[in-house]
Amino acid sequence: KAGVTQTPRYLIKTRGQQVTLSCSPISGHRSVSWYQQTPGQGLQFLFEYFSETQRNKGNFPGRFSGRQFSNSRSEMNVSTLELGDSALYLCASSLGPQGSEPQHFGDGTRLSIL
Amino acid sequence: AQRVTQPEKLLSVFKGAPVELKCNYSYSGSPELFWYVQYSRQRLQLLLRHISRESIKGFTADLNKGETSFHLKKPFAQEEDSAMYYCALSFQGAQKLVFGQGTRLTINP
Repeated sequence: KAGVTQTPRYLIKTRGQQVTLSCSPISGHRSVSWYQQTPGQGLQFLFEYFSETQRNKGNFPGRFSGRQFSNSRSEMNVSTLELGDSALYLCASSLGPQGSEPQHFGDGTRLSIL
Repeated sequence: AQRVTQPEKLLSVFKGAPVELKCNYSYSGSPELFWYVQYSRQRLQLLLRHISRESIKGFTADLNKGETSFHLKKPFAQEEDSAMYYCALSFQGAQKLVFGQGTRLTINP
């Protein structure tokens, strides 16, 4: 069974631009979560989606948004990019939305802002 | 607010020695607790979760609600255990994970 796939793997943008990151969950998984990983703040929760609905959102500004499609694939968008948005963005999928379900992570998209 | 603390950023032990990676959490309810591991050049992966009460790769972790701890232990460390270990908590039945800062474990030969 293929794992969680994130595209692209690397992305370089400049301040003020916007970016869209994509995540394909493991087949059969319906819950998708996103995390931001930086050296200073570590792993921080961004959003959680299940059945195309955002169930939880982390403490990030409105420039960060996401969505989930009917096939469970998910995208996240960051608008008006800032230098501080440089990070590794991780997507994780799980069978269902229960907190006890283990999450399976992708390799991440490394976003660099110049 | 919910928080996970891993007091040791770096931990180095010799092969064959016991290992204990500490994890403390703050949450007044009943959390779900996990240990995730990231080996060199691999993706973050689940090591174990407290509800399973199982041993994975020789590692065990016991939830101590009185001390709000979920320490990871292994009696005899192996070189392949060298990795980054993250303790994580979910609560209120949500998929939102709160991670600790991680502990980099190095097993010396």
